[in-house]
Formats: sequence, C-alpha cells, structure tokens
Amino acid sequence: EPEVTQTPSHQVTQMGQEVILRCVPISNHLYFYWYRQILGQKVEFLVSFYNNEISEKSEIFDDQFSVERPDGSNFTLKIRSTKLEDSAMYFCASTGGDYTQYFGPGTRLTVL
Amino acid sequence: QQPVQSPQAVILREGEDAVINCSSSKALYSVHWYRQKHGEAPVFLMILLKGGEQMRHEKISASFNEKKQQSSLYLTASQLSYSGTYFCGTDKGSNDYKLSFGAGTTVTVRA
Repeated sequence: EPEVTQTPSHQVTQMGQEVILRCVPISNHLYFYWYRQILGQKVEFLVSFYNNEISEKSEIFDDQFSVERPDGSNFTLKIRSTKLEDSAMYFCASTGGDYTQYFGPGTRLTVL
Repeated sequence: QQPVQSPQAVILREGEDAVINCSSSKALYSVHWYRQKHGEAPVFLMILLKGGEQMRHEKISASFNEKKQQSSLYLTASQLSYSGTYFCGTDKGSNDYKLSFGAGTTVTVRA
C-alpha cells in the first residue's frame, strides 16, 4: 500500500541553525501539507501546497518557514533559524483530492 | 476555527462503549476522524461528508448531524487496540482541503 515517507525520523539542532525536513508524498497525490504537533498537544496546520505553490498558510508559518517541491517526488519544509519553540513533531500529509489525507510517520525536531 | 472535542479523556474496560463528540459553531464541509498511538502518526479512520451520514470502520462508527455542525464517534465493545488519542479534523470547504484539528480525546482501554 502506498504511504507517505519522511526523513529524518529525528533531528536535533542548535537554536539558530537551519533545518530541512523531507517528505515523499504518495506518488499520484496533488495536495501536500505540513502539520506540526507540540508534545502533548493537538495537530496544527502549517501550510498547504498545490500546483507548485502555497495554497494557504497558518499564522505559525512565518518568514522563517518555507516549502519546496524541488523535484517530482520530494516535498520539503525548511526552517531558516530554529527557535526553542520550534521543537515539535512535524507531519507531512498528502491527498489525491478524495478528501482523505494520509500522514507520514513524522520527524521529531528537537531544538537545543 | 478549530472544532471542539469532548471529552478530553475516557477510560474504559474492554467491551465497554464510549462516545466522542466533535462540534463546530458553523457548518462544516467534512469531518475526518483519526486515531494516534503514542509516538506515531495519526491514522485515518473515516470521513463524513453529508449531513445525516453514518460511517463505520470495523467496530467504530461515526455520525454527522443534519446541520453538519456535530459529529460523534462511537467506540463499541472496545478492544485494547482502541487505546490512543482520537482527533477530529474538520474541513470548511477550502480549495486545498486543509484540516483543523480538535484537541483530541485520549482513550485508555483496560483489560
């Protein structure tokens, strides 16, 4: 069964450093998303991406964040200068337009 | 606007039933139910699109009221494997299908 994959599974970084989180969505899907979940809290929407551009972004997704689909398979989330409060689990999701969103296993980001 | 989920937590013995509610002040386009085990990604259970609709995933079922402002998830004859946090995700019909999630309901099923 097709699935969304994410790398790395765990990323530890120093405050102020740049990180890139990678996702490979399900191959025939058209809509891509990044969500984050701070430990013990709910899943929060960050950004949606369709047709090679951002469809919508939340207030969390400020200038420190960017997304890219550099080739036909990868979907990346970059955080330019990480802060302590960026520590969270980051989930990538995709949908083919049948409304069902499939989540990847997540990347746990720890900012020290 | 995020949906409101209740209760926050429920503890069950195997075989007992529970109901989790998800509500919004405005009509929704769809409601998605997910279950998340500790340290894992949310796993899709079911989606409800139409008012009055009922869906089923194994022994878990869900309903969507006629006004499309409330959905309920029914855990029937609960099994140990039902333990986890259940989230409802709601879509207000935006073009990109993005979801707003409720705060989650932690379900613990004990033997």
